[in-house]
Amino acid sequence: QSALTQPASMSGSLGQSITMSCSGTSSDIGGYNSVSWYQQHPGKAPKLVIYDVTKRPSGGSNRFSGSKSGTTASLNISGLQADDEADYYCSSYRSDNTLVFGTGTRVTVL
Amino acid sequence: QVHLVQSGAEVKKPGASVKVSCQTSGYSFITYGISWVRQAPGQGLEWMGWITTNNGDTNYAHNLRGRVTMTIDAFTYTAYMELRSLSSDDTAVYYCARGYEWELDFWGLGTLVTVSS
Repeated sequence: QSALTQPASMSGSLGQSITMSCSGTSSDIGGYNSVSWYQQHPGKAPKLVIYDVTKRPSGGSNRFSGSKSGTTASLNISGLQADDEADYYCSSYRSDNTLVFGTGTRVTVL
Repeated sequence: QVHLVQSGAEVKKPGASVKVSCQTSGYSFITYGISWVRQAPGQGLEWMGWITTNNGDTNYAHNLRGRVTMTIDAFTYTAYMELRSLSSDDTAVYYCARGYEWELDFWGLGTLVTVSS
């Protein structure tokens, strides 16, 4: 049950935008629109920031946006803030009726 | 407000079992399923499985089938996850999370399970 592939780390300056990727296969990201993104600060539970590829949860920040092309999903964070420094995980429904997470990307705000 | 309150930390010996609870409040229990997700120290998130709260149907991750059982108590709005035949590889923080489809929109704070002889 292999995980989705994410870059291990990314960084950006305050106020800048960054886009991180999440690579899968036709059995998960490429075949379904059930891609979600989670933000996790150290020692805390994950927090949903994007679901169904592009949707934001109620009350969610509009600085987060999601997209998908083929078997790769992306999360964009605009106007980077200090509090955006965290780990980010993608997830996708998979054709064997399971959920798979990505390997995670650590974002550093410079 | 939606709350998922998990049971406290556990220390278990190899070969033992652990049962973690997740008491929910603030929403219609049968409208949302419950997923269990674990995170080993310094590692990423791992989906363990899902239970539908309207009928108790379950779906487990392939690598845990045969060792994990998820159940619910619809009277107390509580979900349970039992993991058997523990090894040091099972040392992790275990989270319960509410899900409508495959997004997990509210999470418990986590339960640390330590497996050590």
